[in-house]
Amino acid sequence: SQQGEEDPQALSIQEGENATMNCSYKTSINNLQWYRQNSGRGLVHLILIRSNEREKHSGRLRVTLDTSKKSSSLLITASRAADTASYFCATDAWGGSEKLVFGKGTKLTVNP
Amino acid sequence: GAVVSQHPSWVICKSGTSVKIECRSLDFQATTMFWYRQFPKQSLMLMATSNEGSKATYEQGVEKDKFLINHASLTLSTLTVTSAHPEDSSFYICSASLGGNQPQHFGDGTRLSIL
Repeated sequence: SQQGEEDPQALSIQEGENATMNCSYKTSINNLQWYRQNSGRGLVHLILIRSNEREKHSGRLRVTLDTSKKSSSLLITASRAADTASYFCATDAWGGSEKLVFGKGTKLTVNP
Repeated sequence: GAVVSQHPSWVICKSGTSVKIECRSLDFQATTMFWYRQFPKQSLMLMATSNEGSKATYEQGVEKDKFLINHASLTLSTLTVTSAHPEDSSFYICSASLGGNQPQHFGDGTRLSIL
């Protein structure tokens, strides 16, 4: 199975602090994506990082990718209460279809 | 751009009822859409890949006669849960992609509760 694992499963921090979530996967990939899901809602795409990229930024988000370790991290800086959500990484297989395999997710709680 | 609309957002019905869920790409054409199922506090599991104009591709363990998928146009895919039972209660989410190395865009999900 290609399913990834997020670490930690749950994270609780104070507003203003940084939050780091990690993701590991098992097979070669084409790209890795991070999504956010508010409770009971669909997923919102955050960042896509390709297998030949090592780091990507978008606003307060920073994603790194280490293909040698088959791992990625998502850093949210200066967190806000509105960042409270579950965060998932998803990978698609190298040379394969557009099918995504999702990790188990990290539930982030940012306390005001 | 790249908005995906899913309807209905919530369904409660009796056991034995068939339920249809619609997934529409509002501002782009999607030759491929995906249907996922998510149990409480768990991740998304891909059920099937919906291909416009052809049969859907189901993941291992997903009953194609139970979960009927129709993708008759480039902007609409439907998932019908036939003769639903309480164990089919779940959160169903669809997504569509612009293709290539583009991210998938997700609907807001449908919460299905079978009594």
